[in-house]
Amino acid sequence: EIVLTQSPTTMAASPGEKVTLTCRASSSVSYMHWYQQKSGASPKLWIYDTSNRASGVPNRFSGSGSGTSYSLTISSMETEDAATYYCQQWSSNPWTFGGGTKLELK
Amino acid sequence: EVQLVESGGGLVQPGRSLKLSCVASGFTFTDYWMTWIRQAPGKGLEWVASITNTGGTTYYPDSLKGRFTISRDNAKSTLYLQMNSLRSEDTATYYCTRASTGMDYFDYWGQGVMVTVSS
Repeated sequence: EIVLTQSPTTMAASPGEKVTLTCRASSSVSYMHWYQQKSGASPKLWIYDTSNRASGVPNRFSGSGSGTSYSLTISSMETEDAATYYCQQWSSNPWTFGGGTKLELK
Repeated sequence: EVQLVESGGGLVQPGRSLKLSCVASGFTFTDYWMTWIRQAPGKGLEWVASITNTGGTTYYPDSLKGRFTISRDNAKSTLYLQMNSLRSEDTATYYCTRASTGMDYFDYWGQGVMVTVSS
């Protein structure tokens, strides 16, 4: 099973600040996917196939990475971006998720 | 508009069974694999089970194999999760999700249904 480790676990950012969330895999994966979950709501697909924004995702969000190291970057933090972000892979069965990064507004 | 609407959750005693349902609409149900994902209170996401578009093949993590059964009725555009021998650690919100055409991520999620296992 491929274990995904996200860092940091929690962080706070000020409006306008650049934010980078990291996801590291225990073995190499072909793609990484990201979900955004706000409190009390279902997760939403946010970034798929490492770098593609899902429908409706603002272009201040970007994804990158390869092999065992992937990241999600917000170029300029906005209030509405406060949420928990999860990474996910399926290069090998089973599908696995990272533990999440909770991003708060400073 | 894609919609996934779960039902069947509630409070159940340890050792008992429960069956969840998910009615899909807004897309051709028979074209997509479907998946259940759960989230324990205050915790992260955990893959529970997946089923191919025809229903011919199912997938489970080793930790749940034998207790949970995923199935689908394509004529009713409905996904099911039969959960047996429930334990307190099965307490979670269960999400019905649609897998992408490449089966590697989950592009639509239902609102979730809460299952509480407690005496």
